[in-house]
Amino acid sequence: QKEVEQNSGPLSVPEGAIASLNCTYSDRVSQSFFWYRQYSGKSPELIMSIYSNGDKEDGRFTAQLNKASQYVSLLIRDSQPSDSATYLCAVNTGFQKLVFGTGTRLLVSP
Amino acid sequence: NAGVTQTPKFQVLKTGQSMTLQCAQDMNHNSMYWYRQDPGMGLRLIYYSASEGTTDKGEVPNGYNVSRLNKREFSLRLESAAPSQTSVYFCASSEAEDRALLNEQFFGPGTRLTVL
Repeated sequence: QKEVEQNSGPLSVPEGAIASLNCTYSDRVSQSFFWYRQYSGKSPELIMSIYSNGDKEDGRFTAQLNKASQYVSLLIRDSQPSDSATYLCAVNTGFQKLVFGTGTRLLVSP
Repeated sequence: NAGVTQTPKFQVLKTGQSMTLQCAQDMNHNSMYWYRQDPGMGLRLIYYSASEGTTDKGEVPNGYNVSRLNKREFSLRLESAAPSQTSVYFCASSEAEDRALLNEQFFGPGTRLTVL
């Protein structure tokens, strides 16, 4: 079983809709969680971090964490074509290392 | 601030050649990392340095060496390149010290390496 799992997609949503991206992890001692956005041919860009159960909102982005169920999600409200990218989930198990999922490709159509 | 910078942006090597990838950060971060990214494999940690003067192996260290030259610079060396090392290499840095709770990492632009 992979340590961090994401559906590879593509996840297709129309412009203005809510995009929901999910990530599950296997290590129960994982302490903090991150979402990165990566445009094709570019480097990963940190967009959200969360380490407490519940929701964390930043603009159009909301990260949700449920440690009991071992999943973390990212909601993007009012999706725009410029949100089309691959979204990487990363988990910090507390040993100075992030473990990344393989990413979910999001396509937002005008 | 330039953030994290990497050189070169592109490189083509022949099997058996050596090269060093350079990384520098101007954010006064304690920790630095080298990753490789391959299609379908995601980002995999090669080596990291939790502080100046220390380095540790990551998930895929074989065929690589690193040097934490000072707090700003962290280089990755391929001593004898192999086609399996064809990949995109990213350097990242983090303010977090060892075993910190919130290890936010910031990435450089990457080096696209092809080994023929």
